[in-house]
Amino acid sequence: DIQMTQSPSSLSASVGDRVTITCRASQSISSYLNWYQQKPGKAPKLLIYATSSLQSGVPSRFSGSGSGTDFTLTISSLQPEDFATYYCQQSYSTPQVTFGGGTKVEIK
Amino acid sequence: QVQLQESGPGLVKPSQTLSLTCTVSGGSISSGSYYWSWIRQPAGKGLEWIGRIYTSGSTNYNPSLKSRVTISVDTSKNQFSLKLSSVTAADTAVYYCARGVIPLYYFDYWGQGTLVTVSS
Repeated sequence: DIQMTQSPSSLSASVGDRVTITCRASQSISSYLNWYQQKPGKAPKLLIYATSSLQSGVPSRFSGSGSGTDFTLTISSLQPEDFATYYCQQSYSTPQVTFGGGTKVEIK
Repeated sequence: QVQLQESGPGLVKPSQTLSLTCTVSGGSISSGSYYWSWIRQPAGKGLEWIGRIYTSGSTNYNPSLKSRVTISVDTSKNQFSLKLSSVTAADTAVYYCARGVIPLYYFDYWGQGTLVTVSS
């Protein structure tokens, strides 16, 4: 299995802050990396696919980068509705996809 | 707008079989562009991929669950289903159905999720 490790596991930030979340794969996954946002009691929502492609309807303050084993999700200016848990997912080893452990973004 | 909706019992006894159905609306499950998938999430924990099915009926399962999982599709009802046998408390989780986009296999639409508790 390809293990996905996210860091930090949680962070506190203020509205307007630039936030960066990291996802590391246990082996190279090329650009097969996707990001999701999950709010309490809700299903995950796709934000970014294939490392850097923004899903339709997702605000442009979200961006993704990376390749190989190291990837980042950046929120350029944190908004109140962005407080949530974020998950990365690798789809390199399809069908056996795996998710990171999540990063909880909390209000400072 | 595509919508997915899980349905099934919220309580299952240990050693019995968990059965859930996902009804797809706003799009055809027979589309060749997607894998129809099941994912679960224990309370306070991360996401675990369970398996997927293609419109042809071809399936793939998580090796850790493969001996207990069966996913099937009913194209006439625009539904796909999950059966997980011999359940234990460790199978207690929110179960999601989701649409996986071919070929990159990311999940663009999800059901709202249904909590299944395994308890006597």
